[in-house]
Amino acid sequence: SQQGEEDPQALSIQEGENATMNCSYKTSINNLQWYRQNSGRGLVHLILIRSNEREKHSGRLRVTLDTSKKSSSLLITASRAADTASYFCATDGDDMRFGAGTRLTVKP
Amino acid sequence: EAGVVQSPRYKIIEKKQPVAFWCNPISGHNTLYWYRQNLGQGPELLIRYENEEAVDDSQLPKDRFSAERLKGVDSTLKIQPAELGDSAVYLCASSLRGRRETQYFGPGTRLLVL
Repeated sequence: SQQGEEDPQALSIQEGENATMNCSYKTSINNLQWYRQNSGRGLVHLILIRSNEREKHSGRLRVTLDTSKKSSSLLITASRAADTASYFCATDGDDMRFGAGTRLTVKP
Repeated sequence: EAGVVQSPRYKIIEKKQPVAFWCNPISGHNTLYWYRQNLGQGPELLIRYENEEAVDDSQLPKDRFSAERLKGVDSTLKIQPAELGDSAVYLCASSLRGRRETQYFGPGTRLLVL
């Protein structure tokens, strides 16, 4: 069974716009991670946020974590066509579990 | 530093045939994972190794799937016999130590069972 659940399932935006994806989970966690997967490729780690952190930044990425709501969000600012990919959250709860992902399309 | 290496990249077999996938993790990484990813879904953990020991294989269909990690380095995942529903991408990942650390993924093996 998959622990993280991303929302929305698909998102289409114009280049330069911001993209926000959400992740909800069910059990207590130590950390939550976000990964990106380009079509036909393996997953690439983007950012890890620990349970005692509320917000983390990495370049154009901003991740928030609300452990009381068991949810996280990933914000990509000033999106580029190269950001087109699927984005997954993964929680370590009882073990590492990935959600079904959000498919992001950035139109040039 | 070399990443996680997987082979083959693609495999097409007929149902009931055996198939094996190989993974070489990043040097020094103690933890190795095998995932299966169906089209449009996230990766599903099949098995996790800490060094040579399989510490989580609860999602591995043991009637037809087997895995081993020799000397705590390379790993092989085998399916015998393959079924149509096994068509998927099989991903290998490794992390330095433990399941709570960043995982580094290989490119995956795309399996098609006809």
